[in-house]
Amino acid sequence: GDSVTQMEGPVTLSEEACLTINCTYTATGYPSLFWYVQYPGEGLQLLLKATKADDKGSNKGFEATYRKETTSFHLEKGSVQVSDSAVYFCALSEVQGGSEKLVFGKGMKLTVNP
Amino acid sequence: NAGVMQNPRHLVRRRGQEARLRCSPMKGHSHVYWYRQLPEEGLKFMVYLQKENIIDESGMPKERFSAEFPKEGPSILRIQQVVRGDSAAYFCASSQFQGSNQPQHFGDGTRLSIL
Repeated sequence: GDSVTQMEGPVTLSEEACLTINCTYTATGYPSLFWYVQYPGEGLQLLLKATKADDKGSNKGFEATYRKETTSFHLEKGSVQVSDSAVYFCALSEVQGGSEKLVFGKGMKLTVNP
Repeated sequence: NAGVMQNPRHLVRRRGQEARLRCSPMKGHSHVYWYRQLPEEGLKFMVYLQKENIIDESGMPKERFSAEFPKEGPSILRIQQVVRGDSAAYFCASSQFQGSNQPQHFGDGTRLSIL
């Protein structure tokens, strides 16, 4: 089946540092790609998505570009804030037999210090 | 609009007992998904349901686990005769339709601990 491999942490950064979280995928078709964020004690929130090659998703200063040639969807932010401390999950949508489900990477915990 | 509501937030059971986890989807959503998150792991798909129908249960263990989404009321994930390995966070998500342009909205999860 399809799979997602993402950079594992934990990672600690200082406020205003640059962030890149690598994510690569394997898929038989052309999945949609997502980044979800999980704050402590909460569920997952959709951060951004891209549905086809070369699409760029962006939200709250975060960006990720769907790269079919490298099967990647790396998450970037130019200047992180303390409030960005969370666990970040890369995911793809897998379609199989009329059912569409999300396949997640293991997640990366980010801590941003003031 | 209320989001996806899961209860309880925390559930403690002894080995051999039953665990029942509830999920009320967002208003107007008829598609429900259950995922399990083991410690230090990502979320793994378990089951996808529409009202009164199980569409895909390929990620659910064949024994002890069952799920339903009745015409009225919340979706229920039921685990019979729980074992230590069932300790995890269980997340429910819902969507209005199916398809990549219809993102799944997640609840805050139920954290199940088995003594």
